[in-house]
Amino acid sequence: EIVLTQSPGTLSLSPGERATLSCRASQSVSSSYLAWYQQKPGQAPRLLIYGASSRATGIPDRFTGSGSGTDFTLTISRLEPEDFAVYFCQQYGSSPLTFGPGTKVDIK
Amino acid sequence: EVQLVESGGGLVQPGRSLRLSCAASGFTFDDYAMHWVRQAPGKGLEWVSGISWNSGNIDYADSVKGRLTISRDNAKNSLYLQMNSLRAEDTALYYCAKVAVPLRVAVAGDFDYWGQGTLVTVSS
Repeated sequence: EIVLTQSPGTLSLSPGERATLSCRASQSVSSSYLAWYQQKPGQAPRLLIYGASSRATGIPDRFTGSGSGTDFTLTISRLEPEDFAVYFCQQYGSSPLTFGPGTKVDIK
Repeated sequence: EVQLVESGGGLVQPGRSLRLSCAASGFTFDDYAMHWVRQAPGKGLEWVSGISWNSGNIDYADSVKGRLTISRDNAKNSLYLQMNSLRAEDTALYYCAKVAVPLRVAVAGDFDYWGQGTLVTVSS
């Protein structure tokens, strides 16, 4: 099983600042099958990034995914008020599918 | 508009059974693998099970293998999760999720649409 570790656990930032979230895998993720999701309280997760770096439909270009192998990054270039949420990474290259524990981005 | 609507959750005693359903609309259901993902209260996401578009491939998390059974009825645009021998640790919000890429042999995928979830509480 591929274990995903996300850091930091919580990121406290102000609107307009840059957020850098890390997702590290215990083994190489096949074909960069790595996705990022955003989840707000009381809502279902929302797909942001798939294939490590491709933005999902309707996702603003301030969200950028990068990385390969075992190290992946989600960058939010300038935080908007609606971006404060929890972010999960997921690998779907091998079974079982696994999610990281999440990074909470909250308002400083 | 893609919609996934889960139902069937509730309060159930340990050892009992429950069947979850997910009604899909707004897309060609039988082109896509479908999954169940759960989230315990205040916790992260845990993948539970997935089924390919034609039910030819099915996969489960080890934590549910032998107790939970995924199935689908393409004629009814519906996904199911039969949950037997329920345990307290199965308590969670259960989401139905659609993979983004159609007609793949593999069950796995990233999930571009999710339902709002149905809550399962296992307690005596």
